[in-house]
Amino acid sequence: AQSVTQLGSHVSVSEGALVLLRCNYSSSVPPYLFWYVQYPNQGLQLLLKYTSAATLVKGINGFEAEFKKSETSFHLTKPSAHMSDAAEYFCAVTPRSSASKIIFGSGTRLSIRP
Amino acid sequence: NAGVTQTPKFRVLKTGQSMTLLCAQDMNHEYMYWYRQDPGMGLRLIHYSVGEGTTAKGEVPDGYNVSRLKKQNFLLGLESAAPSQTSVYFCASSYLGARGFNEQFFGPGTRLTVL
Repeated sequence: AQSVTQLGSHVSVSEGALVLLRCNYSSSVPPYLFWYVQYPNQGLQLLLKYTSAATLVKGINGFEAEFKKSETSFHLTKPSAHMSDAAEYFCAVTPRSSASKIIFGSGTRLSIRP
Repeated sequence: NAGVTQTPKFRVLKTGQSMTLLCAQDMNHEYMYWYRQDPGMGLRLIHYSVGEGTTAKGEVPDGYNVSRLKKQNFLLGLESAAPSQTSVYFCASSYLGARGFNEQFFGPGTRLTVL
């Protein structure tokens, strides 16, 4: 069965530092991949998505993610963290064989140190 | 467009009481979902619907029922609430993209406490 693994339930970086949130999927056929962000007391909103076009995907708020088939990864990065980036981030996949479903990772809470 | 809305935002129930959570979307999406979110467990799918009049079980369906009588609404029912159902409930809707991907749009959540 398809699964998504997010390494690190909590990541803390200094303001201005690089943000790297890791996501790996398990599938022999590359799925569609998403990153969602959840700010405190809010629902999830889409940050970016990979749908088989360019392997480097740019999203909102300066985030980007690179699809690497050889590593079955879709890590999320941002060159310079801002205090407003503090939130929970979820990686998710839609298997190509079951497009009605989306499988979420367990989430990574990002904290930003002043 | 309001997007996905959920009613109510907060609710406190006593064990054994029943209630219905309402989700509405104005984007003409075919698919709708109910999730629960608990600390350290991410989002878990309760039930989903791929169209008006259809429903299917997700990962954690026990203790919940759903109905999709109208395309824009998806109701989640708790017949006899238990403390284990204390959680934040999110509704989402989605369309199937041209390439088959499923981009979901989420509501703001309902915080439910069962005493």
